[in-house]
Amino acid sequence: AQKVTQAQTEISVVEKEDVTLDCVYETRDTTYYLFWYKQPPSGELVFLIRRNSFDEQNEISGRYSWNFQKSTSSFNFTITASQVVDSAVYFCALSEFNFGNEKLTFGTGTRLTIIP
Amino acid sequence: GAGVSQSPSNKVTEKGKDVELRCDPISGHTALYWYRQSLGQGLEFLIYFQGNSAPDKSGLPSDRFSAERTGGSVSTLTIQRTQQEDSAVYLCASSHEGPRGDTQYFGPGTRLTVL
Repeated sequence: AQKVTQAQTEISVVEKEDVTLDCVYETRDTTYYLFWYKQPPSGELVFLIRRNSFDEQNEISGRYSWNFQKSTSSFNFTITASQVVDSAVYFCALSEFNFGNEKLTFGTGTRLTIIP
Repeated sequence: GAGVSQSPSNKVTEKGKDVELRCDPISGHTALYWYRQSLGQGLEFLIYFQGNSAPDKSGLPSDRFSAERTGGSVSTLTIQRTQQEDSAVYLCASSHEGPRGDTQYFGPGTRLTVL
């Protein structure tokens, strides 16, 4: 069975500090996809990034960066120079392929609070 | 363009009543998913629709839950004889049909409270 573990339940940092959110996954698939979503207080899940299992290049988008390492089954997310607007719950997810159904298996989320 | 929409945004009902939750996917998206988010269970998959194929109902927690998708677009999730443990946020997502790993885009959810 597929599993996603986000061991950090809650993190608080002071504004402008860097913060890394950890994600560890388990799967028997050789081809899979990993995702990060942000859930601000409004409640809607906002897509941040998708990464396939064959692409281990790190990715940077503005203040956001992602480190994918198959050797450790990790897909960590770093926010540089955090801002109050980054306060949210962040979910890591893994897609499972079953005759077309790419349902997402989510981690339990990390609640990030940025202190002004 | 317009994102995934869901209605109602909030629903309060009494135990034993039936409820219907609606999802309008992004135009052109053929895949539609329902998830449930609750404090105890986190985010969990409920049901998947793809085009005219039979839905994958493997995530539905009981036979009180059902869903349909009309015309390959709008979907309705129905919960019969609601119980207090059904209280949760019900999220709908849609994606393109195509290569694996298509991104699922989520709606704002329906918060269901069963008294």
